[in-house]
Amino acid sequence: QLQLQESGPGLVKPSETLSLTCTVSGGSISSSSYYWGWIRQPPGKGLEWIGSIYYSGSTYYNPSLKSRVTISVDTSKNQFSLKLSSVTAADTAVYYCARQYIVATNADAFDIWGQGTMVTVSS
Amino acid sequence: QSVLTQPPSASGTPGQRVTISCSGSSSNIGSNTVNWYQQLPGTAPKLLIYSNNQRPSGVPDRFSGSKSGTSASLAISGLQSEDEADYYCAAWDDSLNGHVVFGGGTKLTVL
Repeated sequence: QLQLQESGPGLVKPSETLSLTCTVSGGSISSSSYYWGWIRQPPGKGLEWIGSIYYSGSTYYNPSLKSRVTISVDTSKNQFSLKLSSVTAADTAVYYCARQYIVATNADAFDIWGQGTMVTVSS
Repeated sequence: QSVLTQPPSASGTPGQRVTISCSGSSSNIGSNTVNWYQQLPGTAPKLLIYSNNQRPSGVPDRFSGSKSGTSASLAISGLQSEDEADYYCAAWDDSLNGHVVFGGGTKLTVL
């Protein structure tokens, strides 16, 4: 069955760029039925959507993070990636990648999630 | 401060029926569908309800969702100890060119 796996550094210095990759296995990222998203969860806090990408490269981002976020896709590797620039301690969180099922216009759901990866921002 | 408002906690005894509310506005719940996620301790969230009241394959029918106006609810009947988890609502928000918003989460305790 489809699985998602996040990978990347667990420690990032303040003001640097956080980079994570999500590898999709057991299925193709190039499906017209799905977006692929990033969600994060600070320790002890709730979920925050970061942004999503379609296999064609079309993206949409959380307005509060938009100026610092870039999400890209590599269909040849069945991967999509997250870059978050100018990080601070407030960006310390578990970062999840997830498949976003497009039920209908403005109606989609994160139906398959990766296990998550903890990223700490500290010098 | 989350865009969607949920009570921080809820509780019930085994066998009881509990409901968790999610309040939003006309730009999110009022005009779009609601999803619910269950997060067991130390694990990734799991999709529990989508499109207000649809259950993915494998989700027990003890879980149900509803929506009215700018609010939504998740109901769990026949509460079981393994239902102890955090529950999050989510919806599309039409403002600011559109984006996904989550509730702050509700921690359900089975007494």
